[in-house]
Amino acid sequence: QKEVEQNSGPLSVPEGAIASLNCTYSDRVSQSFFWYRQYSGKSPELIMSIYSNGDKEDGRFTAQLNKASQYVSLLIRDSQPSDSATYLCAVPKLSGGYNKLIFGAGTRLAVHP
Amino acid sequence: DADVTQTPRNRITKTGKRIMLECSQTKGHDRMYWYRQDPGLGLRLIYYSFDVKDINKGEISDGYSVSRQAQAKFSLSLESAIPNQTALYFCATSDPPGRYTYNEQFFGPGTRLTVL
Repeated sequence: QKEVEQNSGPLSVPEGAIASLNCTYSDRVSQSFFWYRQYSGKSPELIMSIYSNGDKEDGRFTAQLNKASQYVSLLIRDSQPSDSATYLCAVPKLSGGYNKLIFGAGTRLAVHP
Repeated sequence: DADVTQTPRNRITKTGKRIMLECSQTKGHDRMYWYRQDPGLGLRLIYYSFDVKDINKGEISDGYSVSRQAQAKFSLSLESAIPNQTALYFCATSDPPGRYTYNEQFFGPGTRLTVL
């Protein structure tokens, strides 16, 4: 089992719809969870972080965390073509006495007009 | 000006050549990282450094070496490049984690390396 798993996609949604991106993780003690957005050929940029069970909203983005199910998701409301990118889920893992960030392979989102 | 810069941005080289990728940051972060990204594999950690005297191997360090010349500079070297090191390379920086939180990593623009 991969430490952080995401469907590779592409996830295709029409403009204005809700895009739902999912991520599962294997380490039950993980406390922090991140969503990065990466446009093609560009560097990842952080768009959401979540630490507690439940929902966290920021503009059109909502992160949802369920630690019991080891599941974190990202909802994008009113999807726009500019949201078309790859979304990376990242989870810190304690290894060798240090926390390192483990990234999923990413889900490619395509928002079509 | 960008907080995390990488040079070169693109590089084409031949098998067996020595290559150095450089990373500089003005964010004042102690922690710096080198990742490579391949299609379908996500970001994989090559090396990381928590301060100038603390350098650690990541999950895929074979064939790579690093140098932390100063708090702001972290270089990645490929001693003898091979074609399967063709990838997109990212440098990142962060503050140490807080007591209950893990701090965001900030990424440079990336270096696209092609080894022929």
